[in-house]
Amino acid sequence: VQLQESGPGLVKPSQTLSLTCTVSGASITSGDFYWSWIRQAPGKGLEWIGYIYYSGNAYYSPSLRSRVTMSVDTSRNQLSLRVTSVTAADTAMYYCARSQVGIQDYWGQGTLVTVSS
Amino acid sequence: DIVMTQSPDSLAVSLGERATINCKSSQSVLYSSNNKNYLAWYQQKPGQPPKLLIYWASTRESGVPDRFSGSGSGTDFTLTISSLQAEDVAAYYCQQYFSTPYTFGQGTMLEIK
Repeated sequence: VQLQESGPGLVKPSQTLSLTCTVSGASITSGDFYWSWIRQAPGKGLEWIGYIYYSGNAYYSPSLRSRVTMSVDTSRNQLSLRVTSVTAADTAMYYCARSQVGIQDYWGQGTLVTVSS
Repeated sequence: DIVMTQSPDSLAVSLGERATINCKSSQSVLYSSNNKNYLAWYQQKPGQPPKLLIYWASTRESGVPDRFSGSGSGTDFTLTISSLQAEDVAAYYCQQYFSTPYTFGQGTMLEIK
């Protein structure tokens, strides 16, 4: 199982961050798993953003819920993350991961997003 | 939210010696109906994503060396490396998946003394 995040490395403040995670070696429609996004600010710890099931049902962390949207594209075996109204506090490495019962067993390499004008 | 607190923040251990990292949750992560602790441990080496080491507090992920072990129940957990190897230098995180939002400890940096 491999996951690969992609997206712009630089986003301007107040704009929208959009990332894609391409999954290979496993189908995102497998009912046993769901798919999470986790981020890590430079030099900091891990923050769980939320997860999405292949059906499109999603759960977002309350701290980000008002600005986050996740989606899936089953035809491309991809998941997506959007974060609106970004600030410097959203600068982080963003990871997608496969989850089962809340355990993240496979992670992407991550993509660094910097919020700066 | 369940707050996860790790101790110490950093740790230096000699090669071949035991390393112990503690993790405390602000409320129990033991689910009484199945008697399982919803607690995982991850290892993160510099420039790499986290890697799952332990889940259900004490179940080692496939391929993880048996020098890594997890223990504890309820609110207090421990990750032990029985004989530290050079490749074990990393940050270690505990994570609860008992309830959403899932939360991580702040991390423990493990170094060689």
